[in-house]
Amino acid sequence: AQKVTQAQTEISVVEKEDVTLDCVYETRDTTYYLFWYKQPPSGELVFLIRRNSFDEQNEISGRYSWNFQKSTSSFNFTITASQVVDSAVYFCALSEYQAGTALIFGKGTTLSVSS
Amino acid sequence: SAVISQKPSRDICQRGTSLTIQCQVDSQVTMMFWYRQQPGQSLTLIATANQGSEATYESGFVIDKFPISRPNLTFSTLTVSNMSPEDSSIYLCSVVQGGGYTFGSGTRLTVV
Repeated sequence: AQKVTQAQTEISVVEKEDVTLDCVYETRDTTYYLFWYKQPPSGELVFLIRRNSFDEQNEISGRYSWNFQKSTSSFNFTITASQVVDSAVYFCALSEYQAGTALIFGKGTTLSVSS
Repeated sequence: SAVISQKPSRDICQRGTSLTIQCQVDSQVTMMFWYRQQPGQSLTLIATANQGSEATYESGFVIDKFPISRPNLTFSTLTVSNMSPEDSSIYLCSVVQGGGYTFGSGTRLTVV
């Protein structure tokens, strides 16, 4: 069965600190997709990244970076030099390769960045 | 990627009544998904709706409580029936296109 674990329920940092959000997944599929979403207090889901299981290259987008390691079934997300606007709930999610399957979400990590 | 218009954005309803949530997609999609997000919780899949067939419900969700309509490839509705305060949640629809998932803006439901 598929499962996504985000062990960190809440993280609090001060602005400009770096922070890493952990994500560990379980799947029997050899082909799958991993995602990160941000949910600010307004409630909408903001797509951050999609990674397929064959692409283990790390990704950097501005202050955001992602580390995908199949050996440990992890897909961790790092925010460098955090800002107050980064305060949100962050969800890691997994989907099977087959078309038409829904995303399975982790429980989310609430990040609070104070000034 | 697809754009989804979800209505209503929020509602306050009396217990025992029903609310129908609509999602309109700007392109044709095969599958639509309905999620519930209870306060402070993650998103839980309610059901998968395929056009022309009955929705497939996840464990813990039943058609009598959450009937779903999928009349065409761009539209779906979710009804929350005989509501109780425990149904107070955010309900979201989602579609998948080209491997990417798009979500509606959500319906914030409060049952009093």
